[in-house]
Order: sequence, then C-alpha cells, then structure tokens
Amino acid sequence: AQSVTQPDIHITVSEGASLELRCNYSYGATPYLFWYVQSPGQGLQLLLKYFSGDTLVQGIKGFEAEFKRSQSSFNLRKPSVHWSDAAEYFCAVAPYSSASKIIFGSGTRLSIRP
Amino acid sequence: DAGITQSPRHKVTETGTPVTLRCHQTENHRYMYWYRQDPGHGLRLIHYSYGVKDTDKGEVSDGYSVSRSKTEDFLLTLESATSSQTSVYFCAISESRQGADTIYFGEGSWLTVV
Repeated sequence: AQSVTQPDIHITVSEGASLELRCNYSYGATPYLFWYVQSPGQGLQLLLKYFSGDTLVQGIKGFEAEFKRSQSSFNLRKPSVHWSDAAEYFCAVAPYSSASKIIFGSGTRLSIRP
Repeated sequence: DAGITQSPRHKVTETGTPVTLRCHQTENHRYMYWYRQDPGHGLRLIHYSYGVKDTDKGEVSDGYSVSRSKTEDFLLTLESATSSQTSVYFCAISESRQGADTIYFGEGSWLTVV
C-alpha cells in the first residue's frame, strides 16, 4: 500500500536560513508527488509536483524539490526562508490512475525565528 | 485562487443532530472531493464525486453521506453528528481523475460537535 511519511512534525528555522523538509514515500511504481502548503485558517495550495522528467522540480514562492528514486524521497527545499513561509507543509503521493487515491502525509509545521 | 466556496465556515452543533456542509465551485470541474483534516493524520478522503449523481466512498466514509445534484455543488451530510466528527472539512476539486492533476482546495469548514 502506498504511504507518505513526513518525519518532522515541527521545524523552526531563522529567517534567511535555508530549509529542507523531508518526505519519504512507499509506492510500487513511480508515483506522482506533490508538495502543498497550508497557511493558518486556509486551504491547501499546491507548491509543486513531479511526475516525470527532471528530478529537480521548481515550484512557486521560490521552493524546489528533488525526487530521489533510490531513497524514495521527495524533499522540499528553499535557499532562504521568509517570515511569510511560516505554515504547514504537506507531501502527497498519487498513482497515475486516480487523483482520488492521493495520500497526504501528516504534515510538517514550519515556524520562522526572527 | 480556484473558485471554491464552502459553507458554513464555522459551525458548532450538538451530538445527534444532522449537519450539512456545502461546497460550491465555479470552475466547472468534474471531480469534487470532501476531506477531513485532523492533527497527526494529514488529510483523509471521505467521499468524492466524478459527476452529477456519481459518487464513491473514500478512506473514512462511515457516518457521512454526500450528494451532487449539480456540477457546481457537492454536499456532505453527517446524519447524526458525533464528537469524533469534530474536525476541519475541506472541499476540493480537480479537472480530471488523472493522478498528476492538481487538486484545488477550499478554505475549510470548522465543525465542532459538543
């Protein structure tokens, strides 16, 4: 069965520092992979997605993620965080055949230290 | 932002009462979803719809029913609310069922069952 693990429940980084949020997945084939961001009191917004091609994916708001098949990982990175990046981040995996089968990780809450 | 409106945004109800949450979209997307979000669980699919009057169960469908009489509206009903259904409910839409398709989320409905 497919699954998504976000091992870090809460991360705090200083403004201007680099960020890496971890995501590991379990799936029989190459899945479609997503990162969503949720600001307090809001719905989820897509940051980026990967389903083929270049394993380094660029997204909105200066985020990028790298797909590593050998490690079953899809980590999210940003070179320099801003206070507005404080939010909860969700990694998700979906099979080719059905968006309804998308599985979300439990989320990582990001706090920014001034 | 995707044109998704959820109502009500906040509701407190008593155990045993029926509750209906409404999702309205202006994007004419075929697929609509209801998720619930609970701490430590990420988002879990309750029900989804792939067309007018066409619905299917998700991972956590017990205690919930849905209806879709028009493309733009998807209703989630708790026939007899229980405290375990206290949660944040998100409606979502996608244009197709392909796993790579982006899912767009509404802003959520906070439901408290007392």
